[in-house]
Amino acid sequence: AQSVTQPDIHITVSEGASLELRCNYSYGATPYLFWYVQSPGQGLQLLLKYFSGDTLVQGIKGFEAEFKRSQSSFNLRKPSVHWSDAAEYFCAVASSNFGNEKLTFGTGTRLTIIP
Amino acid sequence: EPEVTQTPSHQVTQMGQEVILRCVPISNHLYFYWYRQILGQKVEFLVSFYNNEISEKSEIFDDQFSVERPDGSNFTLKIRSTKLEDSAMYFCASSGGGRKTDTQYFGPGTRLTVL
Repeated sequence: AQSVTQPDIHITVSEGASLELRCNYSYGATPYLFWYVQSPGQGLQLLLKYFSGDTLVQGIKGFEAEFKRSQSSFNLRKPSVHWSDAAEYFCAVASSNFGNEKLTFGTGTRLTIIP
Repeated sequence: EPEVTQTPSHQVTQMGQEVILRCVPISNHLYFYWYRQILGQKVEFLVSFYNNEISEKSEIFDDQFSVERPDGSNFTLKIRSTKLEDSAMYFCASSGGGRKTDTQYFGPGTRLTVL
């Protein structure tokens, strides 16, 4: 069965510093991977997704993620964080038994930004 | 930009009562989903819905749960007899297609509190 692990429950970063959020997946076939962000009181917003091709994908808000098959990882990065990036970040993998895709999420990483 | 909306934002109910959570998916989308997130835990898939029938459901989605698309715009989740453990944030999502490459767009969620 598919699963997603986000090892870091909470990360604190200074504004302007670089960021890397870790995500490891377990999936038997070619994974379809996603990063979502959830700001307080908001729904889950898609940051980026990986299906195939270039293993470095660019997303919204200056985020990027790199797919590494050998490490079963899909880590999210940003070179310089802004205070508005404080939120909960979820990694997910798409899977399906019957064709309608469902998402399996990790437990999330809460990002705190300090001035 | 089109978005998924959910009502109410917060629902408080007594154990054993029925609740209906409402969602308005993006208007030209065909695939609909419910997920839930118990406080401090991961977002979990409940059910997917297409062409007026359930496509897939998780083991969480037992006989106490049902979904319906009563008209051309609403998508509802009903819990017949709520339990304390049903307390969670419930997210509705929709996508234009049911493939892994089709982005699921999430609503802001309904926080259900069962007393």
